[in-house]
Amino acid sequence: AQSVTQPDIHITVSEGASLELRCNYSYGATPYLFWYVQSPGQGLQLLLKYFSGDTLVQGIKGFEAEFKRSQSSFNLRKPSVHWSDAAEYFCAVGAPLTASKLTFGTGTRLQVTL
Amino acid sequence: DAGVTQSPTHLIKTRGQQVTLRCSPKSGHDTVSWYQQALGQGPQFIFQYYEEEERQRGNFPDRFSGHQFPNYSSELNVNALLLGDSALYLCASSLLQGAGEQYFGPGTRLTVT
Repeated sequence: AQSVTQPDIHITVSEGASLELRCNYSYGATPYLFWYVQSPGQGLQLLLKYFSGDTLVQGIKGFEAEFKRSQSSFNLRKPSVHWSDAAEYFCAVGAPLTASKLTFGTGTRLQVTL
Repeated sequence: DAGVTQSPTHLIKTRGQQVTLRCSPKSGHDTVSWYQQALGQGPQFIFQYYEEEERQRGNFPDRFSGHQFPNYSSELNVNALLLGDSALYLCASSLLQGAGEQYFGPGTRLTVT
């Protein structure tokens, strides 16, 4: 069974500081990996995805993520956080080669202080 | 190009009642998935529809059922509502033969009293 662990429930960073959100997954092979962002009361917006190839993937809003097979991790990073990045971030895993169900982590709430 | 749309935005129902939620997928997409997101939790997969058939199902009781129409839009029905069914219900659309990414609608907030 596939699963996702986001060990940090809540993270606070200062505006302009760097950010890293952790994600560990469990899957029998190399899955498809995703990061989504959710603002309060809103749906989910896709930030970036990893399917294969280059292990460092770039997304929207200046985010990037690195796939590390040996650590079963897919951590999300941003060099300089903006106040508008405050939101809930979800890591998700899906089976490759098809638009199958996504399994989400419990999310990390990001607070940005000015 | 319209994204995924859902209706209604909010809904309040009483225990034991039935509810129907609606979803229109992103233009060009043929697959619709439904997720339940309880407060403070990540979305949980309910089921997925493709070619008007239920293709995959998560660990949800039979009270949860769905339908997909020829125009790819979809409905989620929940019977005999329980207080625990209160949640944000998210619809996501995708291409079955695509790269696997799913695009989410804004959700329907269901409150059961």
